[in-house]
Amino acid sequence: EVQLVQSGAQLRRAGESLRISCEISGYNFATHWITWLRQVPGKGLEWMGRIDPRDSYTVYKPSFQGHITISADTSITTAYLQWSALRASDTAIYFCARWVKGPTFDYWGQGTLVTVST
Amino acid sequence: QSALTQPASVSGSPGQSITISCTGTTNDIEIFNLVSWYQQHPGRAPKLIIFDVTERPSGVSTRFSGSRSGNTASLTISGLQADDEADYFCSAYVGSSVIIFGGGTKLTVL
Repeated sequence: EVQLVQSGAQLRRAGESLRISCEISGYNFATHWITWLRQVPGKGLEWMGRIDPRDSYTVYKPSFQGHITISADTSITTAYLQWSALRASDTAIYFCARWVKGPTFDYWGQGTLVTVST
Repeated sequence: QSALTQPASVSGSPGQSITISCTGTTNDIEIFNLVSWYQQHPGRAPKLIIFDVTERPSGVSTRFSGSRSGNTASLTISGLQADDEADYFCSAYVGSSVIIFGGGTKLTVL
């Protein structure tokens, strides 16, 4: 069974760093890109970027470039999303998902709520 | 890349059919013809219900169907059921590994 299990909710202050995780199981981690998406509570979904676990090649949505880092550790089949300096506007729910092709993400993590206070 | 345009809300009675539109441009929906739809219940992760404009993943009800005309994709739900009440999001590929989403449509089953 394919599963993406994300780390728990986080509360941080603006300016602090954070890394959240997405542990993958049930398939060969190297065969599918992993993507991260943001959802402000009550709002829509926003694609942030993706990583190819085979070579850690990443692509970011331009508006997130330089603010986030997506990485992956194939030895523990885990993908990460991290910030070096959080902003209050980063408050949202973050989802990881398995990329199939185009805009198709077939398995999703349960989501991680990140709250950033000023 | 601009977001796709969806109606904010739609509603229907049990047993009826509804259609949710998703309008893009010639640079996304029309040129790449790669559109997916997701259903999201409150407090849950999105669930893939349509991919490649018209295809249903295994296990998704045949009551869900997708189509496209020009730069507008559509999701039709037939035989509405109470559990269909959720938010629905369309998404499209715009090249260079970049994805855009619609703002979402809240479906109310009356």
